[in-house]
Amino acid sequence: AQRVTQPEKLLSVFKGAPVELKCNYSYSGSPELFWYVQYSRQRLQLLLRHISRESIKGFTADLNKGETSFHLKKPFAQEEDSAMYYCALSGDAGGTSYGKLTFGQGTILTVHP
Amino acid sequence: NAGVMQNPRHLVRRRGQEARLRCSPMKGHSHVYWYRQLPEEGLKFMVYLQKENIIDESGMPKERFSAEFPKEGPSILRIQQVVRGDSAAYFCASSPQIAREPTEKLFFGSGTQLSVL
Repeated sequence: AQRVTQPEKLLSVFKGAPVELKCNYSYSGSPELFWYVQYSRQRLQLLLRHISRESIKGFTADLNKGETSFHLKKPFAQEEDSAMYYCALSGDAGGTSYGKLTFGQGTILTVHP
Repeated sequence: NAGVMQNPRHLVRRRGQEARLRCSPMKGHSHVYWYRQLPEEGLKFMVYLQKENIIDESGMPKERFSAEFPKEGPSILRIQQVVRGDSAAYFCASSPQIAREPTEKLFFGSGTQLSVL
């Protein structure tokens, strides 16, 4: 069975400090991992995907298959990063991946001035 | 493009009533997914539909819940004889097609908050 765990419900940092949102997963195949973000009064939106290996808004995430983790990191947090962050996994459903995602419980990040 | 539209934003029902939640996908999108978020939990997949077809309903409760995506009109998630435990936020997402990496083009609606009294 697929599972995504975000151990921290709440995370508070000060502006300019590094931030790391933890995500661990369990899946027997080759998963695709994602981070989604929901800013206040906005819709859930994709932040980044492990496949693209890109940096979005200064955030990066590396898939560590040995530790089954996909932690989200940013070296210098900004106030506008305050939001709810969800880690999500898409399993290889018969070779066709679609919008069936397994989400973690979410982490509320608050960046203080 | 207004994005994925869900209505109503808030729905209050008494126990035993029916709840109908609507989702209009983005223009050009023919695939719809419904998710439920119970309090203090993450979003959980319920059902995946294409026009007039249910593709994957593995996350749907066996009773009282049904979903449809007709040829014309929005997708409907229907909950019959609601109970307090159905109180949750229900999110809809849409994508344009099955592609190699469709999750990149997955867009979410704002959700419907269902409260059962």
